[in-house]
Amino acid sequence: GAGVSQSPSNKVTEKGKDVELRCDPISGHTALYWYRQSLGQGLEFLIYFQGNSAPDKSGLPSDRFSAERTGGSVSTLTIQRTQQEDSAVYLCASSSDPGNTIYFGEGSWLTVV
Amino acid sequence: QKEVEQDPGPLSVPEGAIVSLNCTYSNSAFQYFMWYRQYSRKGPELLMYTYSSGNKEDGRFTAQVDKSSKYISLFIRDSQPSDSATYLCAMSPHPGTASKLTFGTGTRLQVTL
Repeated sequence: GAGVSQSPSNKVTEKGKDVELRCDPISGHTALYWYRQSLGQGLEFLIYFQGNSAPDKSGLPSDRFSAERTGGSVSTLTIQRTQQEDSAVYLCASSSDPGNTIYFGEGSWLTVV
Repeated sequence: QKEVEQDPGPLSVPEGAIVSLNCTYSNSAFQYFMWYRQYSRKGPELLMYTYSSGNKEDGRFTAQVDKSSKYISLFIRDSQPSDSATYLCAMSPHPGTASKLTFGTGTRLQVTL
């Protein structure tokens, strides 16, 4: 597809379960970002991948959160032992390099009940 | 205190009005400023990008930066119902729009007929 693709678009999970969110960036984009958007909050940076460099994980809120990017393309954000405060929209973005415009996907809407 | 403050609104204006959206920030390291528009259940899309004090115009949109006051604005002229969305300011100390960004919480705008 032409844009950043995220799945699932909606996910309802029980507290304590693990969830995986997937991001397929725009083809050829080397930079990939994950952000979180909670109700009444701005977008919060989580993690940044650039090519084969070590990711910038400085925004991950706890060790329950992890992300990987396989083959420099698709990325998976994993949240273990989900808590209600993890309920948010998880947005993925990509860019052709760190100096260029980033393009956001439509997000994965996570609800923890 | 948040690094970036933005009035959440909602802001309701009649069609054709001039809209003023604002953000203040505390981190003097921020040098690059962006405005994103986010429609309901969609990802943010870049509207304007500036890196110096002064004004930048693009069609009906004007971005204004006052670094001495740590204050940025987005003006929308001749507002249309299609402008109804949430507007997010974002900023970074680094060049390029794809660097790790600090976002405001967003202002929800409603343009009525």
